[in-house]
Amino acid sequence: GQQVMQIPQYQHVQEGEDFTTYCNSSTTLSNIQWYKQRPGGHPVFLIQLVKSGEVKKQKRLTFQFGEAKKNSSLHITATQTTDVGTYFCAGPIASYDKVIFGPGTSLSVIP
Amino acid sequence: DAGVTQSPTHLIKTRGQQVTLRCSPKSGHDTVSWYQQALGQGPQFIFQYYEEEERQRGNFPDRFSGHQFPNYSSELNVNALLLGDSALYLCASSGLGAGELFFGEGSRLTVL
Repeated sequence: GQQVMQIPQYQHVQEGEDFTTYCNSSTTLSNIQWYKQRPGGHPVFLIQLVKSGEVKKQKRLTFQFGEAKKNSSLHITATQTTDVGTYFCAGPIASYDKVIFGPGTSLSVIP
Repeated sequence: DAGVTQSPTHLIKTRGQQVTLRCSPKSGHDTVSWYQQALGQGPQFIFQYYEEEERQRGNFPDRFSGHQFPNYSSELNVNALLLGDSALYLCASSGLGAGELFFGEGSRLTVL
């Protein structure tokens, strides 16, 4: 079945350092979605990428969808304490298919 | 505009009991998906409901069942609870075919 993996599992950074998490799917995805879950909270949608090779930016966050539509990355520039949380990638094989989540990357920011 | 609401927020059950969790989707959404999230793990897809029918199902046993009502709200039922069923149960709503999932705050189930 479809599997989504993420690395690293955990990342501790000093405030102001950059952070990157990588996502890989065993199958080609229709789209890739990224969610953030704060400690004790629920996943909150960040962005969706649909096109092969697509790059989108949200302030200090840069999201990329691989050419084969099987991998993706999230890069945060100059982390802040508000970036703390677990970042999940997720995606369906087809547009109307179930959305499968990766295991997440937990980010800690040391002030 | 209310988002996704779930109830109860916390509950404690003993092994062998049955539990029903409830979800009201975001206004305008007709599709409800249920996820199980164990501590420190990503959400695991249980099933999805659209037009009162189960459209997709993940790798969960038949002890897990659900229902969607004409107003698009949904219930998740788990029978014969096991210790391993302890988790945060998340409901997510979306428009059919729309990628973005809106999650509720979840129902935290503890099985003793």
